[in-house]
Amino acid sequence: KAGVTQTPRYLIKTRGQQVTLSCSPISGHRSVSWYQQTPGQGLQFLFEYFSETQRNKGNFPGRFSGRQFSNSRSEMNVSTLELGDSALYLCASRNEGVHEQYFGPGTRLTVT
Amino acid sequence: GDSVTQMEGPVTLSEEAFLTINCTYTATGYPSLFWYVQYPGEGLQLLLKATKADDKGSNKGFEATYRKETTSFHLEKGSVQVSDSAVYFCALSDRNQFYFGTGTSLTVIP
Repeated sequence: KAGVTQTPRYLIKTRGQQVTLSCSPISGHRSVSWYQQTPGQGLQFLFEYFSETQRNKGNFPGRFSGRQFSNSRSEMNVSTLELGDSALYLCASRNEGVHEQYFGPGTRLTVT
Repeated sequence: GDSVTQMEGPVTLSEEAFLTINCTYTATGYPSLFWYVQYPGEGLQLLLKATKADDKGSNKGFEATYRKETTSFHLEKGSVQVSDSAVYFCALSDRNQFYFGTGTSLTVIP
């Protein structure tokens, strides 16, 4: 089975712009979670989607949003980018009823 | 609420040394426990897991035992290699929520 894929792998954006990141889960996995990883804050949970519905949400401002499509692919969007949004954004998928998550390689976002 | 506390790093070991990375957890339910590893420039990879008390997870020479009485899930390896240099994350899953530790950076020198 193919693993979790994320596109693009690298992005450079300017403050004030918006960005959309994409995640394709492992085939058959309907749960997709997003995380932000920074050296200072570590891994922080953004949100989880299951069957096109947001099931859990972390403590991030409304500038961070996401959605999931009927094929379980997910996108996250960050509007009005700030320098502090520079991070590695990780997507993880899992099968319902199974506890472990499988991560993609991440999208490295740099905001200048 | 649920949380994971793991040993602060960085940890530097010589090749073939014994490794222990401590991890303790707080959970209200009956969590599953995990160790993930992250190599430079990559995402997290599942290293091992344990789903109930006294379970031992093992993979690639790494082991960890789910200890409910001490709420711990310490990672061990008898003889580390240079290729084990990475960041290790302890994590728990409880009622559809995941909680990660802060990560422990391991460097193994030849």
